[in-house]
Amino acid sequence: KQEVTQIPAALSVPEGENLVLNCSFTDSAIYNLQWFRQDPGKGLTSLLLIQSSQREQTSGRLNASLDKSSGRSTLYIAASQPGDSATYLCAVRDTNAGKSTFGDGTTLTVKP
Amino acid sequence: DGGITQSPKYLFRKEGQNVTLSCEQNLNHDAMYWYRQDPGQGLRLIYYSQIVNDFQKGDIAEGYSVSREKKESFPLTVTSAQKNPTAFYLCASSTGFSEQYFGPGTRLTVT
Repeated sequence: KQEVTQIPAALSVPEGENLVLNCSFTDSAIYNLQWFRQDPGKGLTSLLLIQSSQREQTSGRLNASLDKSSGRSTLYIAASQPGDSATYLCAVRDTNAGKSTFGDGTTLTVKP
Repeated sequence: DGGITQSPKYLFRKEGQNVTLSCEQNLNHDAMYWYRQDPGQGLRLIYYSQIVNDFQKGDIAEGYSVSREKKESFPLTVTSAQKNPTAFYLCASSTGFSEQYFGPGTRLTVT
C-alpha cells in the first residue's frame, strides 16, 4: 500500500527566503505526482503535475522535482511572499486504478 | 466558467440521519472522486468513478454510498452507518489519470 509522507509538518520563514518542501512515497510505481495548495477552509488548488517520466516542472516561482527511484519529490518556492502562506499537499497517483494517495501536508507561514 | 461546484458549503445534521452532498462539474471530465479530510490530515479517498454508471470503493467507503447516473454529477450520501461523519468533504474530477481539479468542499457537522 502506498504511503506518502511530508516533512516538516509546519515551516515558518521570513519573507524573501527560498524554501524546499519535501514529499516521499514508498511505492515507485506511480503514474504521476501532483502538488496542491490549500488555504484554510478551502478546496485544493493544483500547482504542478509531474508525470512519472519527467524529472521536473516549473511554474513561475515554483519548481517541482521528481526522483522515482528514491521515492522523493521536492517543491521549491523562490523568493517567498506572505501570500504563499498556506498548506501544501502532494498526491501520488498509482498506475493501476489511478487512485491517489495524499500526504498530510506542510503548513507554510511566510512572515512579512 | 468551467469548474466544480459543491453544495451546500456547510451542512448540519442530527445523528442517525442520512445526508446527500452534491458535486457537479462542467469540465467534461470522465473521472470523479470523493475525499474526506479531517483536521490536520491529508485527504482519504471514499469513492471514485471513471465512467458513467460505474464506481469503485476507495480506502474508507464504509458508511457512504454514491451514484453516477450523469457524467456531470457524482452525489455522495453519508449514511447513519458512518460512525464519525463530521469532516470536510471534497469532490474532484479529472480526465483519465491526469491532473485532478477540486471543488470548494462541504463541511459536514453531525451532532
